[in-house]
Amino acid sequence: QVQLQESGPGLVKPSETLSLTCTVSRGSISSSSYYWGWIRQPPGKGLEWIGTIYYSGSTYYNPSLKSRVTISVDTSKNQFSLKLNSVTAADTAVYYCASPFDTSGYYYEYWGQGTLVTVSS
Amino acid sequence: QSALTQPASVSGSPGQSITISCTGTSSDVGSYNFVSWYQQHPGKAPKLMIYEGSKRPSGVSNRFSGSKSGNTASLTISGLQAEDEADYYCCSYAGSSTLVFGGGTKVTVL
Repeated sequence: QVQLQESGPGLVKPSETLSLTCTVSRGSISSSSYYWGWIRQPPGKGLEWIGTIYYSGSTYYNPSLKSRVTISVDTSKNQFSLKLNSVTAADTAVYYCASPFDTSGYYYEYWGQGTLVTVSS
Repeated sequence: QSALTQPASVSGSPGQSITISCTGTSSDVGSYNFVSWYQQHPGKAPKLMIYEGSKRPSGVSNRFSGSKSGNTASLTISGLQAEDEADYYCCSYAGSSTLVFGGGTKVTVL
């Protein structure tokens, strides 16, 4: 089954850019016509959809984050990435990357373990 | 795009059935049959339990079922078991290739 692993700094200063990478193993991003996603969860709170990227590079974002988010894909490395700029304490959360359940892009089957990113000076 | 509305908590005794509601709008739940439900145990990643409103992925117990009426989707857990104690989140397609989650419901097995 597909495995995903998030990586990146666990601490980011306010106003700076949060950058995370999701490495996909036991599966290929480019061989499937699928959408790959990022979801986050502030401590003790619910899930929030951040956005999704099609293997070809098309992206779709949460309207509330759209002005600050960029999701990209590197098929040569079998990775996709998240950048969130101008972060504040409200962006402190566990960030998950997830693989699609089917070609619709509406459901996520496999998830990374999640990585906690804290925004603090 | 506002979060879908779920009750904060639902509880039941072992063997009982419980239902979790997920209320959206005519822009999301009411317009599309693309509602999913995720189960999340503490410190773990979410697990897909229901997709397309009522379908179960392979390996998910048939004690879990989903339905929808108007702007409200529901997840029913029958024959409640101790292992079902977890947080549950609904999620709906909201148009323009976007998704929206519910606030989550904590299920307690008494």
